Amino acid sequence: GQQVMQIPQYQHVQEGEDFTTYCNSSTTLSNIQWYKQRPGGHPVFLIQLVKSGEVKKQKRLTFQFGEAKKNSSLHITATQTTDVGTYFCAGGGGAQKLVFGQGTRLTINP
Amino acid sequence: GAVVSQHPSRVICKSGTSVKIECRSLDFQATTMFWYRQFPKQSLMLMATSNEGSKATYEQGVEKDKFLINHASLTLSTLTVTSAHPEDSSFYICSAPSAGSGYGYTFGSGTRLTVV
Repeated sequence: GQQVMQIPQYQHVQEGEDFTTYCNSSTTLSNIQWYKQRPGGHPVFLIQLVKSGEVKKQKRLTFQFGEAKKNSSLHITATQTTDVGTYFCAGGGGAQKLVFGQGTRLTINP
Repeated sequence: GAVVSQHPSRVICKSGTSVKIECRSLDFQATTMFWYRQFPKQSLMLMATSNEGSKATYEQGVEKDKFLINHASLTLSTLTVTSAHPEDSSFYICSAPSAGSGYGYTFGSGTRLTVV
């Protein structure tokens, strides 16, 4: 079945450094979504990418969808302590089901 | 925006008992609800998909008789963990497609189940 691989599993940075997490799917995706889960919380929707090669920005966050619609990345510029959490990508598949990547846990040294 | 209210947030139960978890969509209709299980520091594992007025679709390896799902109305889906055992202890979370395309999925706040 469809698999979504996400790396790295963990990332620790100094506050102010940049951060990037990558997702790769075994199959072409109809769309990819990104979520953030704070420690002890639930996933919160960040963004959805649909088009091949699409790039979207939300303040310091930049999301990209690959040309082949099989990979995606999330880049955070100049991290802040509020960025701490686990970032998940989720590939849109059939019947509206989402297949989640393993997540990247971001910790930040203030 | 779309909100999914999930209760209870935490529950401790004895082995052999059953626990019901409710997810209600507030201010939107959720014809489909997805139920996930999440172990500490791990990803979300889809357990089943519930559809209003029809039987739930379970993922491979998920026991239908153990995890009973009911989606009786457009705003309520329930998951009942029957005859719970310690290995069922986990974080259970529901989600529904948010109203409108491009708005992702709205998650409930999750239920931390501990079976003792």
